[in-house]
Order: sequence, then C-alpha cells, then structure tokens
Amino acid sequence: AQSVAQPEDQVNVAEGNPLTVKCTYSVSGNPYLFWYVQYPNRGLQFLLKYITGDNLVKGSYGFEAEFNKSQTSFHLKKPSALVSDSALYFCAVRGISSGSARQLTFGSGTQLTVLP
Amino acid sequence: KAGVTQTPRYLIKTRGQQVTLSCSPISGHRSVSWYQQTPGQGLQFLFEYFSETQRNKGNFPGRFSGRQFSNSRSEMNVSTLELGDSALYLCASRAVAKNIQYFGAGTRLSVL
Repeated sequence: AQSVAQPEDQVNVAEGNPLTVKCTYSVSGNPYLFWYVQYPNRGLQFLLKYITGDNLVKGSYGFEAEFNKSQTSFHLKKPSALVSDSALYFCAVRGISSGSARQLTFGSGTQLTVLP
Repeated sequence: KAGVTQTPRYLIKTRGQQVTLSCSPISGHRSVSWYQQTPGQGLQFLFEYFSETQRNKGNFPGRFSGRQFSNSRSEMNVSTLELGDSALYLCASRAVAKNIQYFGAGTRLSVL
C-alpha cells in the first residue's frame, strides 16, 4: 500500500527566511506527487505536482519542490516566506497501477506558521 | 470557470439520522472523488465516481454511499449517523486523463 509521511506536525519560520516542509513517500512504481495547501475552513488548493522530468518543480505562489528518488522524498520549499503562507500543507502520492492505488493518499499535514 | 461547489457548507444532525451531501464538479470534469477529513484520521479517501460508475472505494462501512448523475454532479449519503462521522467532507473533481484533483470548500458535518 502506498503511504506518505510528513514528519513535522508544525514548522515555524520567520518572515523573509527560507522554508522547507518535508515529505517522504512509499509507492509501487513511479509516483505522482502533489502538494496542497489548506487555509482555515477551506478546501485544499493545488500548489504543484511531480509526474516526470525535472526533479525541481515550480508551482504557485513561489513554492517549489524537489523530487529525490533515492531518498523517496518530495520536500516543499520557498526561498522567502510570507506571513500569508501560514496554513496547513499536505503532501500526497498517487500510484500508477490500477484500482485504489490510483487514488490520492495524503500525509498527516504540516502546520506552517510564518512569524512577522 | 466556476470551481467545485459543495452544498451545504455546514450541517448539524443527530445520531441515527441520515444525511446527503452534494458536489458540483468543475464544468467538463467527469471524475468526482470524496474524502473525509478529521483531526484524528486526517484525510481519507471515500470513493470515486466516473461517468456515473463507482471506480474505487476506500475503507469505510456500507453506511457511506454515493452516486453520480449524468451531468457529473455527485451526492454522498451517510445513513445511521454516528458521533464519529463528524468531519469535513471534501469533494474533488478531475478532468479525464489529467492528474490534478481540484477540491471544493467542503461540508462541515456535526453529529450530536
């Protein structure tokens, strides 16, 4: 079964500093990887995805993520954090085999707080 | 283009009742998936519908069911509600042969 681990429940960073939100995954075959963000009382907003190609993926709002196959990681990064980036971030994986593996499996989420 | 629309946004029910939640996908999207989000269990996949057929189902009891209509709108039904069913229920739609799921704002269900 596929799985996603987000080892940090909470990440605090000062405004203007770089931020990293960690994600590791386990899946059979090549993964499809995603990052979503959730603001209070809202649904999930898509940030970026990795399907194939360049290991560094750029997404919305200045976010990027680096795919590392050997470490099975897909960490989310941003060079300079904004207070408005404070939210709950989810990493997700989708397998390419049939059946339930084609569904998104989410990590437990990381609460990012950017301090002014 | 309008996003995924879920109604109602908030719902309060009592144990033993049943509830129906509605989801209108993005225009042109034929795949609709449902997820349950709780503080304890996180985001869990319920089921996916495509062209009115259930394609995949998560590990939930039979009290949870769904359907999809010819216009791709979907409904989710929970019968005999339990306190543990209190959650944010999220619907997501996806275009054919595309990988990104787009989520609605969710329906917050409280079971008293």
